[in-house]
Amino acid sequence: GAVVSQHPSWVICKSGTSVKIECRSLDFQATTMFWYRQFPKQSLMLMATSNEGSKATYEQGVEKDKFLINHASLTLSTLTVTSAHPEDSSFYICSAHGGRAAPINEQFFGPGTRLTVL
Amino acid sequence: AQSVAQPEDQVNVAEGNPLTVKCTYSVSGNPYLFWYVQYPNRGLQFLLKYITGDNLVKGSYGFEAEFNKSQTSFHLKKPSALVSDSALYFCAVRDVGNQFYFGTGTSLTVIP
Repeated sequence: GAVVSQHPSWVICKSGTSVKIECRSLDFQATTMFWYRQFPKQSLMLMATSNEGSKATYEQGVEKDKFLINHASLTLSTLTVTSAHPEDSSFYICSAHGGRAAPINEQFFGPGTRLTVL
Repeated sequence: AQSVAQPEDQVNVAEGNPLTVKCTYSVSGNPYLFWYVQYPNRGLQFLLKYITGDNLVKGSYGFEAEFNKSQTSFHLKKPSALVSDSALYFCAVRDVGNQFYFGTGTSLTVIP
């Protein structure tokens, strides 16, 4: 089946530093990747949608200059939290979709990345 | 606009008893409905989906869900709950642009 990985699975950083989270589709090409944020005991909130080779589309209220998304290839998207602050601490989850051309017209979720900003 | 509602934040059930986790939806057009489970500090795991066809959908780990168009519901069920089923369950609807809209989640606790 289709597998999506995220790296790192958890990260602790100091306030003011930047953190990069990778999302990879391991056995299919992902034309579209989605980034979600989840606070404790809450639902997933879509942050942005990225299509390979184009700029990401951000949801209302999400700062595009703070959450930089790059979808440079069909198997990799990155989310960079710039100048992270404690309020950015959260669980970040990506998902990948192969599009109609893929054998699997589905969306698959990564295992998530726990970010803690001190 | 697409949306789903999970009216129960918490469901408790005794081990061996049947369980139901409720979900209602609001969509324009044909609904693409999903159930996911999330264990602590883990990502979402796919349980089952309804796209078309039989209203009763069978999924992973013995779970099933019934699509009810007249009641706009897609409740998750299992005939006999296990302690290991304790987790957070999310109902979701997918729109034509492949964007997911998640419910607020229901925390299931199976009591030994």
